[in-house]
Amino acid sequence: NAGVTQTPKFQVLKTGQSMTLQCAQDMNHNSMYWYRQDPGMGLRLIYYSASEGTTDKGEVPNGYNVSRLNKREFSLRLESAAPSQTSVYFCASSERGSNYGYTFGSGTRLTVV
Amino acid sequence: SQKIEQNSEALNIQEGKTATLTCNYTNYSPAYLQWYRQDPGRGPVFLLLIRENEKEKRKERLKVTFDTTLKQSLFHITASQPADSATYLCALDMSQGDDKIIFGKGTRLHILP
Repeated sequence: NAGVTQTPKFQVLKTGQSMTLQCAQDMNHNSMYWYRQDPGMGLRLIYYSASEGTTDKGEVPNGYNVSRLNKREFSLRLESAAPSQTSVYFCASSERGSNYGYTFGSGTRLTVV
Repeated sequence: SQKIEQNSEALNIQEGKTATLTCNYTNYSPAYLQWYRQDPGRGPVFLLLIRENEKEKRKERLKVTFDTTLKQSLFHITASQPADSATYLCALDMSQGDDKIIFGKGTRLHILP
């Protein structure tokens, strides 16, 4: 099925460890996003990529880096995980001007201990 | 900066009745507004998009209105069913010439049998 695939689904890290969250879409969308979702805070944009080779900071970029490897893939890296980064992370994609909104992945539940 | 408020954290509606959810924004009028559904443990799923020059949009039992004077969108589910129980998110474009949107915190809808 067409859509957005995120890996892994669950991850536990120790403080200070690093990891990369992977995201791939097969809908030929230009725009891709990383959000985090926390109780009471809603979805907050971490980073955004309007097209291959471009990335921009969102509302909460500190502690994260991203790579738009190609049109399909957009990865999120935590260089030195902190307990405050415990959250559910969602990747999404969209096509500018579309009437079909964002397509989200199923999320990665990350716990930093 | 733009702020989005969804009328309540939780809403209980009797099965068969119409559920109405509210989304208010504070500053500039967005070019479009979107509604998403999110089930526990899953990513948001796009439902409807309404543009600033549209007053109303329908899809099956769903209806969205957009009043730029009141700075408000209403989301209606008619003939509600227990399967409609979920969290519903409102999202607005950030009017920055790209696809970025900001999300409200959502309303948890419970349809009571």
